[in-house]
Amino acid sequence: DAKTTQPTSMDCAEGRAANLPCNHSTISGNEYVYWYRQIHSQGPQYIIHGLKNNETNEMASLIITEDRKSSTLILPHATLRDTAVYYCIVRVDGSGYALNFGKGTSLLVTP
Amino acid sequence: DTEVTQTPKHLVMGMTNKKSLKCEQHMGHRAMYWYKQKAKKPPELMFVYSYEKLSINESVPSRFSPECPNSSLLNLHLHALQPEDSALYLCASSQGSMNTEAFFGQGTRLTVV
Repeated sequence: DAKTTQPTSMDCAEGRAANLPCNHSTISGNEYVYWYRQIHSQGPQYIIHGLKNNETNEMASLIITEDRKSSTLILPHATLRDTAVYYCIVRVDGSGYALNFGKGTSLLVTP
Repeated sequence: DTEVTQTPKHLVMGMTNKKSLKCEQHMGHRAMYWYKQKAKKPPELMFVYSYEKLSINESVPSRFSPECPNSSLLNLHLHALQPEDSALYLCASSQGSMNTEAFFGQGTRLTVV
């Protein structure tokens, strides 16, 4: 499985952009990058995913480098409710397309 | 409807009890998953069902027994659990492809006493 590396924790001021990095240097050509977040004691929430192009939705933007070895999740205007653990996951072929979670980044948005 | 419903939300059981966790989705998803999450740890995959058949068992002890009665339902039967099995149990479902997201339920908080 392609492994991901994320910083353990990050802080962001409310109203500012939160940029969460992820390294996935062993990713294969057909594997997607997914981002989920988990607010304390709730189920993980889907944010966004991409293959090689940058993606944007109502929650966030995903920037994937040209070599696909890293990506950045951008929350454009962070709010206190964005405080959560953010997981970057490389979804592999087969294995029922299960999501295998790494340790994630604990994001704290401060007033 | 993009909801995965898990019941019960909380469960306390003794080590000699038998109980079941239930998960339901009505999105027509063909893959369903059970995860276990201990405090301050990421979710760990336990089982994968694909088209109602067990496709992955991540070396889970036999005191956890999954069942998929139909394409919308997923159960996890619990028997003779240990206190260290106390955790948040999460269910998820997806179309079973690389390019479609998985949806998670809110979990069952299990305490074994």
